[in-house]
Amino acid sequence: AQSVAQPEDQVNVAEGNPLTVKCTYSVSGNPYLFWYVQYPNRGLQFLLKYITGDNLVKGSYGFEAEFNKSQTSFHLKKPSALVSDSALYFCAVKGWDTGFQKLVFGTGTRLLVSP
Amino acid sequence: EPEVTQTPSHQVTQMGQEVILRCVPISNHLYFYWYRQILGQKVEFLVSFYNNEISEKSEIFDDQFSVERPDGSNFTLKIRSTKLEDSAMYFCASSEQAGNPYGYTFGSGTRLTVV
Repeated sequence: AQSVAQPEDQVNVAEGNPLTVKCTYSVSGNPYLFWYVQYPNRGLQFLLKYITGDNLVKGSYGFEAEFNKSQTSFHLKKPSALVSDSALYFCAVKGWDTGFQKLVFGTGTRLLVSP
Repeated sequence: EPEVTQTPSHQVTQMGQEVILRCVPISNHLYFYWYRQILGQKVEFLVSFYNNEISEKSEIFDDQFSVERPDGSNFTLKIRSTKLEDSAMYFCASSEQAGNPYGYTFGSGTRLTVV
């Protein structure tokens, strides 16, 4: 069965410092990987996705993610964090082994950027 | 940028009552989805819908739930007899294609509170 793990419930970083939010996945076949962000009382906003091609994917708001097939990881990164980046971040995967259409989400990581 | 619109943003209902959550997907999208997020937990797939029928559903989507596209633009989720455990944020999403290269666009969600 496909699954996503986000091992950190919360990540704390100071503004201006680089941030990493970790995600590992398990699927059979090629994974299609996504990051979404959720601000308080808001919906899920798409950040970026990996389908194929370059392992480093650039997305919205200066975020990027690196696909690492050997480590089955898709960590979200940003070179310089902003206080406004504080939100809940979800990693998600689509694969062929359990359902053609559905996204499987991780449990989410709360990012807290301090001034 | 096209949006998926959900109404209402917050609904409070008494246990045992029927509720209908409404969604207007992006106009040229063909695939529609409902997900839910119980407070503090991960986002879970409920159902996908294509060509006026359910194409995939999860074990959560039991006989109390139904979906329909009554008029070619709206996409609704009905819960026939709500239970306390149905309290959650419900997200609608749509996509152009079901194929893996395409992600979803999510709405901002309806927070359902069953009392």
